[in-house]
Amino acid sequence: NAGVMQNPRHLVRRRGQEARLRCSPMKGHSHVYWYRQLPEEGLKFMVYLQKENIIDESGMPKERFSAEFPKEGPSILRIQQVVRGDSAAYFCASSLMGTVNTEAFFGQGTRLTVV
Amino acid sequence: KQEVTQIPAALSVPEGENLVLNCSFTDSAIYNLQWFRQDPGKGLTSLLLIQSSQREQTSGRLNASLDKSSGRSTLYIAASQPGDSATYLCAVVVSQGGSEKLVFGKGTKLTVNP
Repeated sequence: NAGVMQNPRHLVRRRGQEARLRCSPMKGHSHVYWYRQLPEEGLKFMVYLQKENIIDESGMPKERFSAEFPKEGPSILRIQQVVRGDSAAYFCASSLMGTVNTEAFFGQGTRLTVV
Repeated sequence: KQEVTQIPAALSVPEGENLVLNCSFTDSAIYNLQWFRQDPGKGLTSLLLIQSSQREQTSGRLNASLDKSSGRSTLYIAASQPGDSATYLCAVVVSQGGSEKLVFGKGTKLTVNP
């Protein structure tokens, strides 16, 4: 049973370009969470999705950021018109039934560098 | 708003020593607490999950305790090894901003010297 798979592992974008980060949850998991880790900072919640639904996007910037988790395929975190401040590690986690009762498993992360 | 603090921020010990990492949280209304390990440039590996009704969990050389009323958890590592060197993260699951989610501390960076 493969773990949470994220790709790409590293992504370099020029300012103004778009970044697409992909996350395939563990098999059978329908709850997906995205977190951002800035240098020397803790992980900060961005968005929580279930299949085809955004449950909570309270941690996501209102502009340029969007997330989806379609019925088929991976969850996508999309950052439009990237700026230097978007440089960070983005982690995806999945759980079987939500984190109240079940463990969260994290992917290896995507390290975004904006030049 | 829930805040999670981990002390110390960094710890260096000789191999073989037993050690304790501390985690505190400001709001005792948590569903559970999870300890993770993060290696440099890597993702998070789940170590232990303690439900709010539990007092401790054990896995191999690791033992985690939870005192919800005082807002504290400890991770005890017995007979430390160089391979234990990593950053250890504590996170609590809370209801915040419309859903349940993990709130993380900044971690304790552990170095075990051979």
